[in-house]
Amino acid sequence: GEDVEQSLFLSVREGDSSVINCTYTDSSSTYLYWYKQEPGAGLQLLTYIFSNMDMKQDQRLTVLLNKKDKHLSLRIADTQTGDSAIYFCAERGFQKLVFGTGTRLLVSP
Amino acid sequence: GAVVSQHPSWVICKSGTSVKIECRSLDFQATTMFWYRQFPKQSLMLMATSNEGSKATYEQGVEKDKFLINHASLTLSTLTVTSAHPEDSSFYICSARGSVTSVGEQYFGPGTRLTVT
Repeated sequence: GEDVEQSLFLSVREGDSSVINCTYTDSSSTYLYWYKQEPGAGLQLLTYIFSNMDMKQDQRLTVLLNKKDKHLSLRIADTQTGDSAIYFCAERGFQKLVFGTGTRLLVSP
Repeated sequence: GAVVSQHPSWVICKSGTSVKIECRSLDFQATTMFWYRQFPKQSLMLMATSNEGSKATYEQGVEKDKFLINHASLTLSTLTVTSAHPEDSSFYICSARGSVTSVGEQYFGPGTRLTVT
């Protein structure tokens, strides 16, 4: 079945880079996504990557995809305190999204 | 673009009553809408998927008679929690997918926090 795992917690200092990792099991996934959830709010789509791509960069965000190892990562450059949130990776399974467990990012000044 | 709203943002109700939550796609037509439930510090759990004009498809373990979903138009879906009990207290999030989402991404509403007393 589909299973998406993430590390639970990451703490960085403001200005550093953050790397959030995700592993998935469904090799037939066509798209993989990163969402951000702030406290008490819904999910905001940050970026996505198509499964035939290795890397995608969007301003401060860089997504790396290792399809062989089924590993996805999100790098946030120059992390700011406003980046503190929970980050979910998701894969598109059969007709629905399967979400990871979420990584809580804490950015300290 | 691709904005999804939910109403209400939070609701408190008494045990045994029913509560309706609305989900609207404001600037696109949502051919498919999804309802999720999220417990504190946990990931999202898909409850059901609904296509406009069709009956919702419920995930295993979700009681369809308790969580009534209606997707009567391309911009509105509702979730009604019938005979609510304290264990139904949770954060409910809707999501929509439509023709503008060319890569299949879903856009999420801000969520509704339900507390049943």
